[in-house]
Amino acid sequence: AQSVTQLDSQVPVFEEAPVELRCNYSSSVSVYLFWYVQYPNQGLQLLLKYLSGSTLVKGINGFEAEFNKSQTSFHLRKPSVHISDTAEYFCAVSGFSNTGNQFYFGTGTSLTVIP
Amino acid sequence: EAGVAQSPRYKIIEKRQSVAFWCNPISGHATLYWYQQILGQGPKLLIQFQNNGVVDDSQLPKDRFSAERLKGVDSTLKIQPAKLEDSAVYLCASSFDRAQTYEQYFGPGTRLTVT
Repeated sequence: AQSVTQLDSQVPVFEEAPVELRCNYSSSVSVYLFWYVQYPNQGLQLLLKYLSGSTLVKGINGFEAEFNKSQTSFHLRKPSVHISDTAEYFCAVSGFSNTGNQFYFGTGTSLTVIP
Repeated sequence: EAGVAQSPRYKIIEKRQSVAFWCNPISGHATLYWYQQILGQGPKLLIQFQNNGVVDDSQLPKDRFSAERLKGVDSTLKIQPAKLEDSAVYLCASSFDRAQTYEQYFGPGTRLTVT
């Protein structure tokens, strides 16, 4: 079985400060990892994904994430946030198991950028 | 390219009434997903189609929820009868191929309020 834990439900941060949103996963199979962003009243938009290869993944809007297999983590980072980054962020894991392909989301982290 | 389309965007019904949601995936995407997103939670997969066949409906409450994708393109999700706890955003997503569900593209969602 697979699951995703987002450790922080809300993260307030001042504009131009760095931010890290934490994500841990559990899985008994090889996984693919994703971060999605959801702006108010909109669907989810892919920020970045890890499939294989380099453990440091760069995405859109200046975000990046690092896959750490030993710690089963995939934390999202941005060195300097903008007001427009205020949104809900979801970590997700996908992987094949004996019941087929599964896709699980975490409960989300609400990022609020303070002017 | 056009994104995933969903309608209606908002729906308010009374409990025990029925409701239907419609989704049109991105052209050429064989896999279609319906998710339920309750306020404050991450999306939960309800059902996954590969073309017009069901791949996974293990979390679909089949006593009241049904979904179809008759021609392998558009899909409808129905709830009959609705309960208060069905209040949520229903998200539709599509991806190019089941074996490569590395990225899912989401529609804007339908916000259902059951009173």
